[in-house]
Amino acid sequence: EAGVVQSPRYKIIEKKQPVAFWCNPISGHNTLYWYLQNLGQGPELLIRYENEEAVDDSQLPKDRFSAERLKGVDSTLKIQPAELGDSAVYLCASSPRDRNEQYFGPGTRLTVT
Amino acid sequence: GENVEQHPSTLSVQEGDSAVIKCTYSDSASNYFPWYKQELGKRPQLIIDIRSNVGEKKDQRIAVTLNKTAKHFSLHITETQPEDSAVYFCAASGSGRNTPLVFGKGTRLSVIA
Repeated sequence: EAGVVQSPRYKIIEKKQPVAFWCNPISGHNTLYWYLQNLGQGPELLIRYENEEAVDDSQLPKDRFSAERLKGVDSTLKIQPAELGDSAVYLCASSPRDRNEQYFGPGTRLTVT
Repeated sequence: GENVEQHPSTLSVQEGDSAVIKCTYSDSASNYFPWYKQELGKRPQLIIDIRSNVGEKKDQRIAVTLNKTAKHFSLHITETQPEDSAVYFCAASGSGRNTPLVFGKGTRLSVIA
């Protein structure tokens, strides 16, 4: 079974530029999560999807961050414009319907210069 | 909301010794407690989890204990090996299905050969 796939693995951009991250969850997992992980910290939730519906986005900075999961499978997280403080690892995770176990992708390491 | 505290932040043990990492949580409604292992530059990997209807769970050299009354849970690794060196995160999630995880800040475990 393939795991959660994320791309790109690394991204370096200048501040004020836009950036997008892509995630493909484990096949059949209807719940998808985007987490932010700062260096030396645990992951923090940004947004959770149940199928194509965003059911928990209270921690997403909506002035610059947006996300979508149009067909209820893969998802895109976008930042526009990026700020220096956005440098972090962006992790995607998925879980099966009505189960708690979450499986993480390898993450995208974003560096904003 | 839920708050998870994790101790210690760093832990060094001699190969073959045991390692114990402790976490406390604040929300008495939380009922799912996973542990993740994250090696440098890699994804968090689920290594063991426990639900609130169980007090202890073992998987080979790894065990987790849960004290609901005191709202704390612990990870125990016996006969540690150099490959156990990594950052370990505890997490807790609430009573709803597919609810997001709230993570501790992590423990960096070093196993010295």
